[in-house]
Amino acid sequence: DAKTTQPPSMDCAEGRAANLPCNHSTISGNEYVYWYRQIHSQGPQYIIHGLKNNETNEMASLIITEDRKSSTLILPHATLRDTAVYYCIVRVTGSARQLTFGSGTQLTVLP
Amino acid sequence: NAGVTQTPKFRVLKTGQSMTLLCAQDMNHEYMYWYRQDPGMGLRLIHYSVGEGTTAKGEVPDGYNVSRLKKQNFLLGLESAAPSQTSVYFCASSWRGPDTQYFGPGTRLTVL
Repeated sequence: DAKTTQPPSMDCAEGRAANLPCNHSTISGNEYVYWYRQIHSQGPQYIIHGLKNNETNEMASLIITEDRKSSTLILPHATLRDTAVYYCIVRVTGSARQLTFGSGTQLTVLP
Repeated sequence: NAGVTQTPKFRVLKTGQSMTLLCAQDMNHEYMYWYRQDPGMGLRLIHYSVGEGTTAKGEVPDGYNVSRLKKQNFLLGLESAAPSQTSVYFCASSWRGPDTQYFGPGTRLTVL
């Protein structure tokens, strides 16, 4: 799986959009970008994934650059409950290799 | 639909004691996993199962055993607990591969 780089921490004002970046410059053509988050003391939660097109679901949007070397997870209207560690993972979908959670980005939503 | 549940939520053991953690899922998922998470660190995979009756080692399997006798249940056993096994244990399940996993609420284990 390609290596990812995320900022260790970010702040966001409640009600504003939270934009979490992830760099994956060594991504290969068949690797997808996955995002999970972990709210304090809870188990991780799957958010979204994508290959090259932008994706949106009820939780978030995923924007992947045209060269696929970086991506941004967007929480359109952050709430206090979105405070969590966000993990960006790059992998081949369907691969038997297990998920590897790095250190992620601690997002703090401020009132 | 309860998703993934874990029993117990908290446990304190003395060094050398044994215990079993139970993970149950009602989503008919094929794959199940056990992770541990130490303070300030990411999750590390202990063991996993790709179907009923199968188990495989993950990143940190030493000191743990697992069993998957029923599709919906995945048990994690500690035969002789050590203080180094103090951690939060998370169970997860997925439909086919490990891409999209659903996690349980965790078990906080302290070994004195």
